[in-house]
Amino acid sequence: GAGVSQSPSNKVTEKGKDVELRCDPISGHTALYWYRQSLGQGLEFLIYFQGNSAPDKSGLPSDRFSAERTGGSVSTLTIQRTQQEDSAVYLCASSPPGLAGFNEQFFGPGTRLTVL
Amino acid sequence: AQSVAQPEDQVNVAEGNPLTVKCTYSVSGNPYLFWYVQYPNRGLQFLLKYITGDNLVKGSYGFEAEFNKSQTSFHLKKPSALVSDSALYFCAAVHGSSNTGKLIFGQGTTLQVKP
Repeated sequence: GAGVSQSPSNKVTEKGKDVELRCDPISGHTALYWYRQSLGQGLEFLIYFQGNSAPDKSGLPSDRFSAERTGGSVSTLTIQRTQQEDSAVYLCASSPPGLAGFNEQFFGPGTRLTVL
Repeated sequence: AQSVAQPEDQVNVAEGNPLTVKCTYSVSGNPYLFWYVQYPNRGLQFLLKYITGDNLVKGSYGFEAEFNKSQTSFHLKKPSALVSDSALYFCAAVHGSSNTGKLIFGQGTTLQVKP
């Protein structure tokens, strides 16, 4: 079946511009995560959605970052007024219903963001 | 603070030899532990996990890992390495009573298997 998809695969933007990154999770998966992978910081958790519950935003690095998940499926990560330190690969993952943490997460291929 | 450590940036092994990629964790309570692999320009792929029970868990592609509570370790092993195993490996942990499942990752270890 189809895996987690992310778009765009690459995004180059100028400092100060806003960007939107999209994630389509696996159908039927109720949990959705965003992570960031960068050379300096490794893999960092950003935000978690589970069904209709309030998201866990504890990993968002600043108020320039926000995310939403519409209809319990597609998610969009928005970065406003991008900075060079936002350059990274943004990974989305989803996991099936069940006890959070118990199930493995299925990762998308990522969006490589470059801020000039 | 909870953390996962992978002490080796790179592991080199000859094809056919056994391999070990090390991981230690510092997570309060009972952790859930995972190994993921990342091939170039691709997302992370799940290899195996430890939740509870038998300390030796087996996963995809012939990999296994041993949970050692006293040493807080979860080393990844394979009896006979293949060149195709060359990739970036991440160990990750979740607090066992976490209600979010957010993964705490180690910094990653590059495995290089030479013919």
